[in-house]
Amino acid sequence: DAGVTQSPTHLIKTRGQQVTLRCSPKSGHDTVSWYQQALGQGPQFIFQYYEEEERQRGNFPDRFSGHQFPNYSSELNVNALLLGDSALYLCASSLAGGNWDEQFFGPGTRLTVL
Amino acid sequence: AQSVTQLGSHVSVSEGALVLLRCNYSSSVPPYLFWYVQYPNQGLQLLLKYTTGATLVKGINGFEAEFKKSETSFHLTKPSAHMSDAAEYFCAVTSNTGNQFYFGTGTSLTVIP
Repeated sequence: DAGVTQSPTHLIKTRGQQVTLRCSPKSGHDTVSWYQQALGQGPQFIFQYYEEEERQRGNFPDRFSGHQFPNYSSELNVNALLLGDSALYLCASSLAGGNWDEQFFGPGTRLTVL
Repeated sequence: AQSVTQLGSHVSVSEGALVLLRCNYSSSVPPYLFWYVQYPNQGLQLLLKYTTGATLVKGINGFEAEFKKSETSFHLTKPSAHMSDAAEYFCAVTSNTGNQFYFGTGTSLTVIP
């Protein structure tokens, strides 16, 4: 079992650009959540996808959007990048849509915005 | 609304000493509480969780935590620190009807040989 995988590992973008991050959930999991972890901070919940729809959303602007595919993998898109978007982006998967009881986290994608 | 507060952003202990990492929560509904560990350049790993039932919860690597409703606390302990315990620790809260998952700001644990 490969667990939760994320790509790419690192990414460097400039202000105003757009970025897409990818996540493959743990085998058998159907729910994917995304988190932003700024340097020295705890992860902040961005949104959760289940059955290819956004199920829950945290306090993030519409520049942050996502998608879930039929194979349960997911993408996080960020438009019009700001310097403040520099962070580690974590993906977590879980079973049975919306179950917080046990999430498995990927290693993250470190995004640097210059 | 729900939130967690982790007291002490940095904690240092000697190898073999007691580890105590503090977490207090705020929740208007019965909480689900979690402790995660993050090693450098890695994702988060679940140490232990409290949902319902026994208030003393045992996790991996010798860690345990006790849910104290009267004190709104969920402190993490380990009787004897090991060098490999050096990492960032995060407390988190949600509920059985929660639509978000809230993390604290983390506590960095240093183990001194």
